[in-house]
Amino acid sequence: EIVLTQSPGVLSLSPGERATLSCRASQSIPISYLAWYQQKPGQAPRLLIYGASSRAAGIPDRFMDGGSGTDFTLTISRLEPEDFAVYYCQQHVGSPRTFGQGTKLEIK
Amino acid sequence: QVQLQESGPGLVKPSETLSLSCTVSGASVSSDRHYWSWIRQPPGKGLEWIADISYTGSTKYNPSLGGRPTISVDTSKNQFSLTLASLTAADTAVYYCARGPRITGTPLDWYFDLWGRGTLVTVSS
Repeated sequence: EIVLTQSPGVLSLSPGERATLSCRASQSIPISYLAWYQQKPGQAPRLLIYGASSRAAGIPDRFMDGGSGTDFTLTISRLEPEDFAVYYCQQHVGSPRTFGQGTKLEIK
Repeated sequence: QVQLQESGPGLVKPSETLSLSCTVSGASVSSDRHYWSWIRQPPGKGLEWIADISYTGSTKYNPSLGGRPTISVDTSKNQFSLTLASLTAADTAVYYCARGPRITGTPLDWYFDLWGRGTLVTVSS
């Protein structure tokens, strides 16, 4: 089973700042097999990015993924108030599919 | 607009079997363009994939659940379902049904592009 470790656990930033969230895999995976989700309180997760930089419908281009091998990032170029949420990475190169434990992005 | 809606009991006793359904509207569970999944999230914790099923009836399960889950499709109701046997308190979670794309028929497709709102299941006597 591939373990995904996200850091930091909590990231405190202000609107307008740049956010960089990390996801580290226990073994090398192609970036095409890594997805990112956003979850707001009381809501289901929403797909943000999949398949190497493909954004899901309605996701603005301030959300970008990157990385390779075992180290991946989700970057939000300029934070908007609606971006403060919990973010999860998920690998799907093998079964079982696994998720990271999440990074909470909170308003500073 | 495609929507997924979970339904099931909110409270189940330990050692019993949980049965959940997901009603799909705006799309067919028989479509060869998607697969259908269950994912859960214990309170305040992260996400765990449970199982999925394709239009052919082919199923995949998370081995960490030890053979307890069963996923099935009811095309007459346009629903898919999950049963989870031998419940313990550790199974208390919000259970989500979700959809994944079937584009390549390979693990490239194994992400989740649409989720239901989730249903909280509490296991307690």
